[in-house]
Amino acid sequence: SQQGEEDPQALSIQEGENATMNCSYKTSINNLQWYRQNSGRGLVHLILIRSNEREKHSGRLRVTLDTSKKSSSLLITASRAADTASYFCATDVSNQAGTALIFGKGTTLSVSS
Amino acid sequence: KAGVTQTPRYLIKTRGQQVTLSCSPISGHRSVSWYQQTPGQGLQFLFEYFSETQRNKGNFPGRFSGRQFSNSRSEMNVSTLELGDSALYLCASSSGTGGYSQYFGAGTRLSVL
Repeated sequence: SQQGEEDPQALSIQEGENATMNCSYKTSINNLQWYRQNSGRGLVHLILIRSNEREKHSGRLRVTLDTSKKSSSLLITASRAADTASYFCATDVSNQAGTALIFGKGTTLSVSS
Repeated sequence: KAGVTQTPRYLIKTRGQQVTLSCSPISGHRSVSWYQQTPGQGLQFLFEYFSETQRNKGNFPGRFSGRQFSNSRSEMNVSTLELGDSALYLCASSSGTGGYSQYFGAGTRLSVL
């Protein structure tokens, strides 16, 4: 079953605007990761935020994590047409048995020029 | 460094056949994970291999199996193919197991007729 739920499912904005996507999850995590996927291709790792971190930045990306609410958000500032893609949050519930990433169903972002 | 390489990129099979997919991880990465992506179920974790040992397994039938070689390359096998096995199969590598960012290949798109 899906651990993470992204919201909204789809988002359409104009170039230059900010895009915010949210992710909620159910169980305790080691970290939470955000990925981008362009049109049925492989996923690109964007950012990893550990459970003891509250905020992380990478270029135009800002990720927050609230473990008490079991939620995370991804903010893309000054969006570009090239940001058009699907964005997934993945909760890392790895244990001594090994890696386990549980993905949400994603937010489809469309940025028009 | 070269990225994760998956072969073949596209595959068409018929029901009842078996298929083998290949994944070459980033040089130095010892962990390889496999995922299945479908429009209905989204991204689902299949299994992870680390140092030639299966470390973790998702909730898939025994028809799905894999292995990892001493050079960290991995193969995934699906026997007795069913129509529902049509999907994008993604391989990801990471430098360790548990809590690491994963780097994905472009995927193998399998169509079962």
